[in-house]
Amino acid sequence: GAVVSQHPSWVICKSGTSVKIECRSLDFQATTMFWYRQFPKQSLMLMATSNEGSKATYEQGVEKDKFLINHASLTLSTLTVTSAHPEDSSFYICSAEKVTGSQETQYFGPGTRLLVL
Amino acid sequence: SQKIEQNSEALNIQEGKTATLTCNYTNYSPAYLQWYRQDPGRGPVFLLLIRENEKEKRKERLKVTFDTTLKQSLFHITASQPADSATYLCALEATGTASKLTFGTGTRLQVTL
Repeated sequence: GAVVSQHPSWVICKSGTSVKIECRSLDFQATTMFWYRQFPKQSLMLMATSNEGSKATYEQGVEKDKFLINHASLTLSTLTVTSAHPEDSSFYICSAEKVTGSQETQYFGPGTRLLVL
Repeated sequence: SQKIEQNSEALNIQEGKTATLTCNYTNYSPAYLQWYRQDPGRGPVFLLLIRENEKEKRKERLKVTFDTTLKQSLFHITASQPADSATYLCALEATGTASKLTFGTGTRLQVTL
C-alpha cells in the first residue's frame, strides 16, 4: 500500500495566527514530499518540495518565510502557515514520493482545508 | 509558455459506455504522464503512469495512451459506472525536474444511469 495522511483535515483560525499542517506517509518512507495548494475550481499548484534532512525548495512566488516547511523524518513533513490572512484560505494537499525500482510515484494526502477569518 | 490543457467542460456519459478524456500539452518534454482521480474535498488518487517511450497502458477498466508527437494523452474508462463520477487530472513530470508534477485543471466526469 501507499497511504498518506494529513492532520488536521480542516482548520479555522483568526487572521494573524499560525497554523501547522502535518503530512505523514504511513506505510512507506519518503525522502521527498511535496506541498500543493488548490483554490476552488482550479488545479493543484506546487508550492514547495520538501526533502528529508535539508531545506525545502520553494516554487517561484511562494514566500518561504510565510510557509515554513520541516521534513524532520522519512515519514513526516510539516507546513506552517505563519501569520495567516484570509487570502491564505485554501485547500492544502501534500504528497509523498514512493520509489519502487526506477519508478517514482506521488501518493497524496486527503488535504487540509484552511479558512482564515 | 508551457501549458497543460484538459477539457474544462464536464463530460456526461451513460452508464456502460466508454468515457474518453483528453490531455494536451505544449512546450513540455515529459518523462512521465500520470492520471489521477479527485473527488470533491479530497486529495488526488493515483491511477496510472505512462512513460514517454510507452504508447499504451492498461489497468482493469482503465486505459491510457500517450502520443508524444501529438503531445496528447487519452484516458479511457470502459464500462463506466456512476461510481466513476469524479474529476480526472493529468499531470506531467518533465525531464530533469526532479519528480515535480505539473497538473492540468481536470475534467469532471459524470456517469448517469
